[in-house]
Amino acid sequence: KNQVEQSPQSLIILEGKNCTLQCNYTVSPFSNLRWYKQDTGRGPVSLTIMTFSENTKSNGRYTATLDADTKQSSLHITASQLSDSASYICVVSTRMNTGFQKLVFGTGTRLLVSP
Amino acid sequence: EAQVTQNPRYLITVTGKKLTVTCSQNMNHEYMSWYRQDPGLGLRQIYYSMNVEVTDKGDVPEGYKVSRKEKRNFPLILESPSPNQTSLYFCASRPAGGTEAFFGQGTRLTVV
Repeated sequence: KNQVEQSPQSLIILEGKNCTLQCNYTVSPFSNLRWYKQDTGRGPVSLTIMTFSENTKSNGRYTATLDADTKQSSLHITASQLSDSASYICVVSTRMNTGFQKLVFGTGTRLLVSP
Repeated sequence: EAQVTQNPRYLITVTGKKLTVTCSQNMNHEYMSWYRQDPGLGLRQIYYSMNVEVTDKGDVPEGYKVSRKEKRNFPLILESPSPNQTSLYFCASRPAGGTEAFFGQGTRLTVV
């Protein structure tokens, strides 16, 4: 069964500290993996996309990693800011026999950055 | 500005009173979908549409209807809302073959 699991469910860190969020998936075949940021009460917005051949990708203070062998991804946030407080959702795409790309969503990690 | 627009943003209604949540996108995307988001459960797909007049059930379709008469619009219809449909709803769109979903701002629905 195609599944995406994220950990931890929630996390509280002090402003300025670093943190790492985890995503494990059993989705097959794998097309790509995206991390979304969802501010409270708003729609998710894509932060970064990882394809099979990519190990690391950065977007400002956000760095995503992908290990396609172990089917794990992480999102590292450096020097956290209060505006980083949000839910972070891992989404894996899989191509169906019809060519359609199906998205499989994780349940997200809720991050709170405390002053 | 490229966007997905949902209306209303907030809605309180009574059990059994039919309602429609509208969704419109201006990016000419073929694929549109509706999700509901509940604490601890993440985003769950209600219905999706791969193009005009082509719709299909997602993971939690019971109690909902949709239509896709035009490419840009994908309304969500609750014929007889019940309290268990109290939730945060999101519409999303993406191009055919694309994997980045563009989400609306959400509609918070309360059914009393």
